[in-house]
Amino acid sequence: GAVVSQHPSWVICKSGTSVKIECRSLDFQATTMFWYRQFPKQSLMLMATSNEGSKATYEQGVEKDKFLINHASLTLSTLTVTSAHPEDSSFYICSAKHDTGRMDTQYFGPGTRLTVL
Amino acid sequence: AQTVTQSQPEMSVQEAETVTLSCTYDTSESDYYLFWYKQPPSRQMILVIRQEAYKQQNATENRFSVNFQKAAKSFSLKISDSQLGDAAMYFCACTNSGAGSYQLTFGKGTKLSVIP
Repeated sequence: GAVVSQHPSWVICKSGTSVKIECRSLDFQATTMFWYRQFPKQSLMLMATSNEGSKATYEQGVEKDKFLINHASLTLSTLTVTSAHPEDSSFYICSAKHDTGRMDTQYFGPGTRLTVL
Repeated sequence: AQTVTQSQPEMSVQEAETVTLSCTYDTSESDYYLFWYKQPPSRQMILVIRQEAYKQQNATENRFSVNFQKAAKSFSLKISDSQLGDAAMYFCACTNSGAGSYQLTFGKGTKLSVIP
């Protein structure tokens, strides 16, 4: 149980285009999902917290207009990288919080490798 | 703000032996949770074990166990009978429940190598 999928697993795009990444909780409902960015050989950096039916909360330094997050249902959150540039190339990971009433746990998707040419 | 410190960037262990990964944390929360996640070369983050701060009993999951010392704010992971598949980056994490969103604060990770 507690499986999270992420699509696509990798994407290559041209500079200036937009890319959408989907995060789905497959066997549980998630009122809260999280988006992370991970640079090579580094830890996960939280970008934003996504709550179903409300606006996402962005961490300091993360551009809201560049990284659009939509959490339209209890099983789906999307991250759209708008007008992507080479510096946006990275590994993006989502997680979904499994609400059990006690010790809610984040389960992670497999990640998306974005390369912007 | 919470902080999580993993002081061992790299560790190695012989196959079938036991290894302990260190983690210390700092939090002002009275109720919090602690986690160890594993990230193999595939980069999929996998939950290894979790611990509720109010529980004194150390969590155990098969070959994985923790040594939770609340007063010392220490949460180490012991891997027994190490297997080749245990080779991965291991991240210690602590929740931040102050905003009710249960954000995770991660340490920088420990890279574990398993020697055949």
